[in-house]
Amino acid sequence: DAMVIQNPRYQVTQFGKPVTLSCSQTLNHNVMYWYQQKSSQAPKLLFHYYDKDFNNEADTPDNFQSRRPNTSFCFLDIRSPGLGDTAMYLCATSRDRPDQPQHFGDGTRLSIL
Amino acid sequence: GESVGLHLPTLSVQEGDNSIINCAYSNSASDYFIWYKQESGKGPQFIIDIRSNMDKRQGQRVTVLLNKTVKHLSLQIAATQPGDSAVYFCAENEGGGSNYKLTFGKGTLLTVNP
Repeated sequence: DAMVIQNPRYQVTQFGKPVTLSCSQTLNHNVMYWYQQKSSQAPKLLFHYYDKDFNNEADTPDNFQSRRPNTSFCFLDIRSPGLGDTAMYLCATSRDRPDQPQHFGDGTRLSIL
Repeated sequence: GESVGLHLPTLSVQEGDNSIINCAYSNSASDYFIWYKQESGKGPQFIIDIRSNMDKRQGQRVTVLLNKTVKHLSLQIAATQPGDSAVYFCAENEGGGSNYKLTFGKGTLLTVNP
């Protein structure tokens, strides 16, 4: 089935050690998103790509970066994770318009020790 | 700032009853709304959406109502089943043709008792 796949599902890393989360999609959607969701909170948009165009949210920390080498893949890089970055990271895709549903993967649960 | 909020953080219903989950939004520019269901350990799952030129939309066992006058959105689930137990989020998009951001409400935990 067409879907959004995130790897790994669980990631534990040390304080300050760079970490990369990956997302792939088989939907051939133009737009890919990264959200952060902390425990018992709503997802919060970090940034998105429309094709190769990167759009950062104003309040996304500089510590968070993203790469989209092709249509199918998108990566979230956290350069120097802090304890406050412990969260679920969700990848989503949508076709090509803002008024279309975003389809989410099952997330990567990241723990910073 | 603009936000999307929910009236009830938790809702407990009996199996077979109808459920209504409410959401208030404050951004009058929002023109697209979505309801998501999120089960524990999973990503949000799309349920139903509605555009601002509509006031009602129906899916399988679900209905979304939009009242733009009072900026209110609701999700009705008919004949609620134990599998419906999850956190439900409403989300809004300001649209305008180029704004892809979804702003999520706080979420309502729905518990269905057998």
